[in-house]
Amino acid sequence: DGGITQSPKYLFRKEGQNVTLSCEQNLNHDAMYWYRQDPGQGLRLIYYSQIVNDFQKGDIAEGYSVSREKKESFPLTVTSAQKNPTAFYLCASSIEKGTGELFFGEGSRLTVL
Amino acid sequence: AQSVTQPDIHITVSEGASLELRCNYSYGATPYLFWYVQSPGQGLQLLLKYFSGDTLVQGIKGFEAEFKRSQSSFNLRKPSVHWSDAAEYFCAVGAPNYGQNFVFGPGTRLSVLP
Repeated sequence: DGGITQSPKYLFRKEGQNVTLSCEQNLNHDAMYWYRQDPGQGLRLIYYSQIVNDFQKGDIAEGYSVSREKKESFPLTVTSAQKNPTAFYLCASSIEKGTGELFFGEGSRLTVL
Repeated sequence: AQSVTQPDIHITVSEGASLELRCNYSYGATPYLFWYVQSPGQGLQLLLKYFSGDTLVQGIKGFEAEFKRSQSSFNLRKPSVHWSDAAEYFCAVGAPNYGQNFVFGPGTRLSVLP
């Protein structure tokens, strides 16, 4: 079945460490996105990529980095520069030249110890 | 700038009762409108979407929503709620060809009493 796979589902990090969240899709979608979700704040866009080897900052990119070396993959690195990284992270994809409908993965919960 | 508001942070209904979740948006043109549902610790699942045409749209799990341009609203309804409907519901507005311009509301948490 086609879909988006995020891993790990739960991740714990010590302060000062970088961590990388994986996102893989087999939907053949051009565009991929990373969102951060905090209680009562809805979803906020971190980074997005419309095509391989290209990506753009979203609303809250500071302290995060991404790469898009393959169409299927869009990993997110939470760096030590992110001051408040504890959150639920969601990866999504869409057909770029389409209706903008987003398809989501199951999410990854990052907790800083 | 486009925005989405969901006035109700938390709603509690009894099983079998009807449900209406409110959504208001601000957008410069005719928007693409969506309702997503999220169970605890899970990703978001699309319930329904409106792009054009009939303003009453049907979705999965017995949900429907009505687009009212004059009120800038896209309220979600269900005639009879089931216990499994307890979840968080997000209204969102998007634009064609620009998935990065998706804007989500803050969400409404639905609790269902037995």
